[in-house]
Amino acid sequence: DTGVSQDPRHKITKRGQNVTFRCDPISEHNRLYWYRQTLGQGPEFLTYFQNEAQLEKSRLLSDRFSAERPKGSFSTLEIQRTEQGDSAMYLCASSPPVGEGQETQYFGPGTRLLVL
Amino acid sequence: AQTVTQSQPEMSVQEAETVTLSCTYDTSESNYYLFWYKQPPSRQMILVIRQEAYKQQNATENRFSVNFQKAAKSFSLKISDSQLGDTAMYFCAFMKRLDSSYKLIFGSGTRLLVRP
Repeated sequence: DTGVSQDPRHKITKRGQNVTFRCDPISEHNRLYWYRQTLGQGPEFLTYFQNEAQLEKSRLLSDRFSAERPKGSFSTLEIQRTEQGDSAMYLCASSPPVGEGQETQYFGPGTRLLVL
Repeated sequence: AQTVTQSQPEMSVQEAETVTLSCTYDTSESNYYLFWYKQPPSRQMILVIRQEAYKQQNATENRFSVNFQKAAKSFSLKISDSQLGDTAMYFCAFMKRLDSSYKLIFGSGTRLLVRP
């Protein structure tokens, strides 16, 4: 068990560019979450996957954001036409299947995005 | 909608002493979980302690314990025998039980500094 990993750890981009982040959950964890954390604030929920199905999206997830989880393993979060307001830490978390400590989420180290 | 409030942006404690972090929440749900997560500087978020709302007994994990007051919607974290490694951001979080997504709703955090 190597924990949740995220790549890259840091990303600097120019406004208007597209960026993609990757999250690898703990193996056997079928549920995966994306959160966004801005400076001085707690994380805010963005979206949730159970296996490969995206079951819930926050209204924070504008149409410039898209997330996928092909084959129910790793997940990607893409931001198109980045804006300075997208600068934040993007956190990924995973949790076990229902019935096995389902309520505990394990977080990755995050991807810190800076949009210039 | 559920909200979580942490009214102490920063706290400081002397090593080996005890400190209590406050958290209040607002919900109309009767069945839910509450969590305290720790986010050390530049490190990933980890679970400190978890409380199930239907359990009256306060959760404890070694030096960490909670005071859960369901009627008052209060969920404070007590750290005994504070250690330098306890220096971190602490987030209180709420999860609705049997939610469609089991997403976490976080407070804005309390920055704890343990002084040597």
